[in-house]
Amino acid sequence: DGGITQSPKYLFRKEGQNVTLSCEQNLNHDAMYWYRQDPGQGLRLIYYSQIVNDFQKGDIAEGYSVSREKKESFPLTVTSAQKNPTAFYLCASRPGLAGGSRNEQFFGPGTRLTVL
Amino acid sequence: QKEVEQNSGPLSVPEGAIASLNCTYSDRVSQSFFWYRQYSGKSPELIMSIYSNGDKEDGRFTAQLNKASQYVSLLIRDSQPSDSATYLCAGPNAGGTSYGKLTFGQGTILTVHP
Repeated sequence: DGGITQSPKYLFRKEGQNVTLSCEQNLNHDAMYWYRQDPGQGLRLIYYSQIVNDFQKGDIAEGYSVSREKKESFPLTVTSAQKNPTAFYLCASRPGLAGGSRNEQFFGPGTRLTVL
Repeated sequence: QKEVEQNSGPLSVPEGAIASLNCTYSDRVSQSFFWYRQYSGKSPELIMSIYSNGDKEDGRFTAQLNKASQYVSLLIRDSQPSDSATYLCAGPNAGGTSYGKLTFGQGTILTVHP
């Protein structure tokens, strides 16, 4: 089955811990994105990557880090520097590179992170 | 002004009625817009894409793009209780059009009551 998978579905973190959220896609999509969603709010972009070994900060990158060592994988680390990490984290991917290509993004099922 | 803004709702319609969801945007050069449906506790699902001025129909859904007035709307005909969800409007991020970034509205909660 083709798709985007995220794990774990639920994650609990203690204060001061770093945690890593997994995002994998087998759609052969070039671009991948990480968003954060808080209750009653839209999606805010954390990081995005157009190609392997390249990524860019989004609107709320502070306290987060990413890597893109493989086309299929775009893990997100929530560091202890992120002061309010409790949120719903969504990974998305998009076929093709930018410019004239379509901008449709497709989402994984999400990871719900709670800080204890 | 936010790049993409939705009428805040929530919106409640009776079963069988037409639900109308609206979104305005600030970037005049934006070419493409998307509507996502998000059920409670789930991730967004793409339901409509629109790339040119005018209407696009897909089953019970019609997306409308009016570039002159800078708004995009989603009409749901014959609304069903299963349509009850949050609907997110998304358009290209004005600062990053060349990277395929999207900006999302805050969402409109739709409830279809029997």
